[in-house]
Amino acid sequence: AQKVTQAQTEISVVEKEDVTLDCVYETRDTTYYLFWYKQPPSGELVFLIRRNSFDEQNEISGRYSWNFQKSTSSFNFTITASQVVDSAVYFCALSEEGNTPLVFGKGTRLSVIA
Amino acid sequence: KAGVTQTPRYLIKTRGQQVTLSCSPISGHRSVSWYQQTPGQGLQFLFEYFSETQRNKGNFPGRFSGRQFSNSRSEMNVSTLELGDSALYLCASSLGTSGDTQYFGPGTRLTVL
Repeated sequence: AQKVTQAQTEISVVEKEDVTLDCVYETRDTTYYLFWYKQPPSGELVFLIRRNSFDEQNEISGRYSWNFQKSTSSFNFTITASQVVDSAVYFCALSEEGNTPLVFGKGTRLSVIA
Repeated sequence: KAGVTQTPRYLIKTRGQQVTLSCSPISGHRSVSWYQQTPGQGLQFLFEYFSETQRNKGNFPGRFSGRQFSNSRSEMNVSTLELGDSALYLCASSLGTSGDTQYFGPGTRLTVL
């Protein structure tokens, strides 16, 4: 069965520090999809990135970067030079091939202090 | 393009009542999924509708039901409300093919007293 583990429940950093949010997943499928979402206090889940299992290239988008490593079943998310606006709960999610629903990790609450 | 909309945003009900939540997907999206978010259980999948048919179902009691209309709008219904049904209910839409990105609405916060 598929499973996503976000071991860090809460992280607190000072503004401008770099921070990495960990995500470890389990699946028996060879084709699967990984996602990161951000949930600000308003409650809406905001899509950040999607990766399929055949694309292990790291991705950078502004201050955000993602490191996908199949060898360790990890899909980690790094925020460089964090800002107060980055404060939110971040969720990692997995779906398998065949229109299966998203399975979410428990989320990591990030607090960026000015 | 307009995002996913959910109505109402907030609801207060009492035990034993029933409630209907509504979700309008992004234009062109044919799949609508519903998730329940609680502090204890996190985000849990309820069900998914695609072209008016339930395609996937999570592990929730029969009190939770849903439907999808021909314009892809979806409703979910919870009957005989229990205190434990208090949660944020999130709707997500996607094109409906395998691995598609799901885009979420703002959610409906349900409080059961």
